[in-house]
Amino acid sequence: GAVVSQHPSRVICKSGTSVKIECRSLDFQATTMFWYRQFPKQSLMLMATSNEGSKATYEQGVEKDKFLINHASLTLSTLTVTSAHPEDSSFYICSAPTSAQETQYFGPGTRLLVL
Amino acid sequence: AQSVTQPDIHITVSEGASLELRCNYSYGATPYLFWYVQSPGQGLQLLLKYFSGDTLVQGIKGFEAEFKRSQSSFNLRKPSVHWSDAAEYFCAGGGTSYGKLTFGQGTILTVHP
Repeated sequence: GAVVSQHPSRVICKSGTSVKIECRSLDFQATTMFWYRQFPKQSLMLMATSNEGSKATYEQGVEKDKFLINHASLTLSTLTVTSAHPEDSSFYICSAPTSAQETQYFGPGTRLLVL
Repeated sequence: AQSVTQPDIHITVSEGASLELRCNYSYGATPYLFWYVQSPGQGLQLLLKYFSGDTLVQGIKGFEAEFKRSQSSFNLRKPSVHWSDAAEYFCAGGGTSYGKLTFGQGTILTVHP
């Protein structure tokens, strides 16, 4: 099946710094990608829909100025957590759907720890 | 509001025993339904999906799920569990086959030898 990668897999940063997470579709093009967040022992919650060449669509309650999303190409979406705080510590997962296969593929996730 | 519920947070079974993981959905129309498995350090892997048609869906790794409209359920089953099946399982629903998903809370499966 198709592969979606994320980088980095794990990141530790100081409070107040910004962190960029990349999501790549390795062998297919994705005009849309989704970003989810998973807190410990909780389910995945959709944060935003990343759209290639246009603005991202954020779910209710997600601060767009804090979680900047850029979908600059058909294979890359980035999520930047700006001025990160300890409460932003979480597991961030992206997914990329393929309309041709009528399914979507998930990245392995990025674990963010903000000290 | 659309929702997916997994009533069981943690299930423990013995290796070789049968397994059923419960999933209930609440949608205005019949959603697309999925079961994913997440192992530590791994991404979500799709086990099976239901769109329409035959209500008994076969998936990978010997899993199957049955869609029951009358009960708003989409339970995952496996007749004989292997130790390698220990993982966290997520039921999810969506309005399309490849759009954004609403996930259930997840069920952690522990397999005893």
